[in-house]
Amino acid sequence: AIQLTQSPSSLSASVGDRVTITCRASQGISSALAWYQQKPGKAPKLLIYDASSLESGVPSRFSGSGSGTDFTLTISSLQPEDFATYYCQQFNSYPSFGGGTKVEIK
Amino acid sequence: QVQLQESGPGLVKPSETLSLTCAVSGYSISSGYYWGWIRQPPGKGLEWIGSIYHSGSTYYNPSLKSRVTISVDTSKNQFSLKLSSVTAADTAVYYCARQPMSRGSGFLDYWGQGTLVTVSS
Repeated sequence: AIQLTQSPSSLSASVGDRVTITCRASQGISSALAWYQQKPGKAPKLLIYDASSLESGVPSRFSGSGSGTDFTLTISSLQPEDFATYYCQQFNSYPSFGGGTKVEIK
Repeated sequence: QVQLQESGPGLVKPSETLSLTCAVSGYSISSGYYWGWIRQPPGKGLEWIGSIYHSGSTYYNPSLKSRVTISVDTSKNQFSLKLSSVTAADTAVYYCARQPMSRGSGFLDYWGQGTLVTVSS
């Protein structure tokens, strides 16, 4: 089973901050990685797929990078609606998710 | 616009079988792609359960494979999940979602709103 480790597990940031979340895979997964945003009581929303492809309709302040075992999600300028929990997911083998990163207001 | 809607009992007794259905609108399951189930225990992270193709080909999480059956009904444009021998550890919000790929593993672009299933006597 491929395990994904996200860091940090939580962070506090202010509106306008640049935020970076990392996801490390226990073995190489090429670019088979996606990022999701989840708000309380809601289903996850796809942000990024294939490590760096922006899903249609997602603001361009979100970006993804990486390949192999190390990946990052960057929010270039944090907006009020971005406070949420973020998950990475690999689909190189049967899908698995990271533990999540909660982005809170500073 | 693709929409998915889960339905089924919100309460299941221990050792019984959990059964859920996902109705799809705005896209024909027969057109392709895999269709998956994911769950999330209260306050915890996400776990992928399995997926199915319109042909009936399935792909399951090895940790749940012995208890999971996913089926598809293309005439009703829906797919279903059965999880047997449930325990309190299976209490979770269950989501259905579309995997826009032609293989069993993939990312998930459209999700249902989720349905909470509680396992309790």
